[in-house]
Amino acid sequence: DTEVTQTPKHLVMGMTNKKSLKCEQHMGHRAMYWYKQKAKKPPELMFVYSYEKLSINESVPSRFSPECPNSSLLNLHLHALQPEDSALYLCASSQEGYSYTFGSGTRLTVV
Amino acid sequence: SQQGEEDPQALSIQEGENATMNCSYKTSINNLQWYRQNSGRGLVHLILIRSNEREKHSGRLRVTLDTSKKSSSLLITASRAADTASYFCATVIIQGAQKLVFGQGTRLTINP
Repeated sequence: DTEVTQTPKHLVMGMTNKKSLKCEQHMGHRAMYWYKQKAKKPPELMFVYSYEKLSINESVPSRFSPECPNSSLLNLHLHALQPEDSALYLCASSQEGYSYTFGSGTRLTVV
Repeated sequence: SQQGEEDPQALSIQEGENATMNCSYKTSINNLQWYRQNSGRGLVHLILIRSNEREKHSGRLRVTLDTSKKSSSLLITASRAADTASYFCATVIIQGAQKLVFGQGTRLTINP
């Protein structure tokens, strides 16, 4: 298995909702990442997990809460989001020194 | 903050022509990577070039790296309509853990 699987592909949520994005990989990669991408912009790093521990938080607002239950799974819990948080959320995994494998993303719309 | 700049921001060429995209970066790197993104979906890794390499080929792709100028270029030869996509260079920065930081990207359109 050489893929990163993200669910759901699309999500519409209200500003008072709580939802979660899920990411799964079975390549044995020990680093996993969440990126946020706005239209016509490059992906921006949000969080890095290395060996299931949060290593980097790029000053992301607390309404985004990451979780790494095990080496294959990565979640992003969403609560009280704002319309400006609407974006494509990408998950990726890697082995140190090698290329990254990206999922196809979750298109999030906050209404 | 983004690591690099890409040039041009947009490129439109005829099918069969070659496309060249350039990338500049700011800090020392271990490797530089190029990714393709179709229609705002997931990114696909194209090629990785290490800091001690100067040129690398993969099929119709040719990547060069000049660490003295902190720049890289991606050449796509004999372009096809299916090459229409956004192309990003990215570098790995070590800040405790590794993080992949993207340039601004080039939107490539291949006209049939």
